[in-house]
Amino acid sequence: QTVVTQEPSLTVSPGGTVTLTCASSTGAVTSDSYPNWFQQKPGQAPRALIYSGTNKHSWTPARFSGSLLGGKAALTLSGVQPEDEADYYCLLYHGGPWVFGGGTKLTVL
Amino acid sequence: QEQLVQSGAEVKKPGASVRVSCKASGYTFTDYYMHWVRQAPGQGLEWMGWINPNSGGTNYAQRFQGRVSMTRATSIRTVFMELSGLSSDDTAVYYCARQHRGVVIGATPIDYWGQGTLVSVSS
Repeated sequence: QTVVTQEPSLTVSPGGTVTLTCASSTGAVTSDSYPNWFQQKPGQAPRALIYSGTNKHSWTPARFSGSLLGGKAALTLSGVQPEDEADYYCLLYHGGPWVFGGGTKLTVL
Repeated sequence: QEQLVQSGAEVKKPGASVRVSCKASGYTFTDYYMHWVRQAPGQGLEWMGWINPNSGGTNYAQRFQGRVSMTRATSIRTVFMELSGLSSDDTAVYYCARQHRGVVIGATPIDYWGQGTLVSVSS
């Protein structure tokens, strides 16, 4: 059973930069994992931010970017805003099934 | 505008089954896979499977195989997720989310989500 691991929690100051990562128990995350990133605020459905590792949706703020970094998928927020405080989930494709990471709770403080 | 509207909250007894629907509008229904994702109270997201509304083909997460069934009714642009043998561990919000049926599975975005359906299992 594949396990996808994210940092449980991170804290960042307003205006700062933070990178969230997403690792797979099967080995290095590559472009073939087509990483997706989602943001979820309390009581809301998830909102899509990034697909195929680096591609943004039309509504994704420019301060969000996706990459592959050291065998992991990464989501970087540059110039963090208070409204970025939320849970963030990565989703990896494993050649059939998809697997979510456990999520990162991002606190803006 | 693209929209996914799910059915209302359900309360079920242990051992029962539940069927949740997801009605699509604003786009070509058969051009997009539909994923089902659930979230237990205070927990993370869990992928359950997807259905290809064009062919009816499905792909289920291993832990739900034998207990989940995803179907579609193209005439009413609706997909269904039925989960049987419910236990309290199945208490969760269930979401549908669409993904474009591109040439390379996985490469296209999972973009729009339904509003979620709370399923409560209690004796």
